[in-house]
Amino acid sequence: DTAVSQTPKYLVTQMGNDKSIKCEQNLGHDTMYWYKQDSKKFLKIMFSYNNKELIINETVPNRFSPKSPDKAHLNLHINSLELGDSAVYFCASSGYNTEAFFGQGTRLTVV
Amino acid sequence: QQQVKQSPQSLIVQKGGISIINCAYENTAFDYFPWYQQFPGKGPALLIAIRPDVSEKKEGRFTISFNKSAKQFSLHIMDSQPGDSATYFCAASIWNAGNMLTFGGGTRLMVKP
Repeated sequence: DTAVSQTPKYLVTQMGNDKSIKCEQNLGHDTMYWYKQDSKKFLKIMFSYNNKELIINETVPNRFSPKSPDKAHLNLHINSLELGDSAVYFCASSGYNTEAFFGQGTRLTVV
Repeated sequence: QQQVKQSPQSLIVQKGGISIINCAYENTAFDYFPWYQQFPGKGPALLIAIRPDVSEKKEGRFTISFNKSAKQFSLHIMDSQPGDSATYFCAASIWNAGNMLTFGGGTRLMVKP
């Protein structure tokens, strides 16, 4: 069983569209995250979320918003997509006193 | 501001050799220092991690050395194998503040047979 799963694996869309990436974890973790990996492979935290608190990296545009329907899911919504949003987006989760486990990534291409 | 600096960007090592990757951090509040391994098309996977109360941690062929006063830590891969060819990321976080990882820029390691 995949611990952290993301869908879709690939997403190609046009500028200006709104899209969502789904993430689910079956580890029973309390905290979930979204990271962005750019074309130079640099990984950067976007959001951290648990049932008490959302922490947003100040550099993330407000076109990006996480939505958590329940503890096991943290979806990423992106409005008005721009060319610069093209990247690989990773979902991750961690529990109390455990390391972060990452999903397989979603490669987003904005054309 | 890059809070975790990693070097080198790329590394070529012969099979059986030692691979060494270095990282330096700025935020003295960091108290958790993991290394992640990433293969093409995959997500990062934890390799080994260290807390600042120890200066070294070894797991199999992988060793982290940690120098708190210098704010530096490094990964040593002994007896490097072609299967170790991947991108390696050091990271740092404040464990009890959500464990949000600040990553280094990555090192692409190639181990030649």
